Amino acid sequence: EAGVTQFPSHSVIEKGQTVTLRCDPISGHDNLYWYRRVMGKEIKFLLHFVKESKQDESGMPNNRFLAERTGGTYSTLKVQPAELEDSGVYFCASSQELKDSPLHFGNGTRLTVT
Amino acid sequence: GNSVTQMEGPVTLSEEAFLTINCTYTATGYPSLFWYVQYPGEGLQLLLKATKADDKGSNKGFEATYRKETTSFHLEKGSVQVSDSAVYFCALLTGANNLFFGTGTRLTVIP
Repeated sequence: EAGVTQFPSHSVIEKGQTVTLRCDPISGHDNLYWYRRVMGKEIKFLLHFVKESKQDESGMPNNRFLAERTGGTYSTLKVQPAELEDSGVYFCASSQELKDSPLHFGNGTRLTVT
Repeated sequence: GNSVTQMEGPVTLSEEAFLTINCTYTATGYPSLFWYVQYPGEGLQLLLKATKADDKGSNKGFEATYRKETTSFHLEKGSVQVSDSAVYFCALLTGANNLFFGTGTRLTVIP
């Protein structure tokens, strides 16, 4: 089966610009998660979708971040306007049932804001 | 609250050396514990897990035992290989299905 795919793999933008990250989960996985790792720090939870609904968005840092999952398939994470501290690696993960199945992670998108 | 503290890296070892990466946690309730690994250019992969106290997770020669009394889940391998070079993340899963990760430990194994 195809794994979780993320696009782009790298993005370099200037402060104030907008960037949209995309995640395609494994087909049939209702749960979709976004995480972020700022350089040298821990991987932090951003939010969790169950199908198209936001189950938990407590990790979203501020209102410059907007996540969507139209139709319960792929998800996008938009950062607008980007700030320097938004630089990091953004991971997407999906699962059918978290307790019994591990999260399947994508390769991540490395975002650099200059 | 919930948090994971793991050994800071980077760690550099010679091939066939013994590896320990320390991980301790703070959690409310009874979390499940995990080690994830990220090989160069790849995404995070589950390496092993333990769901209750005294459980031992193992995979690819790596082991970790869930120690409730010391709130620890240290990762060990008796003889590392060059192919084990990666970043290792300790994580806990709460009852609310939230995953909390440590900062990651970069391991480099030299021939």
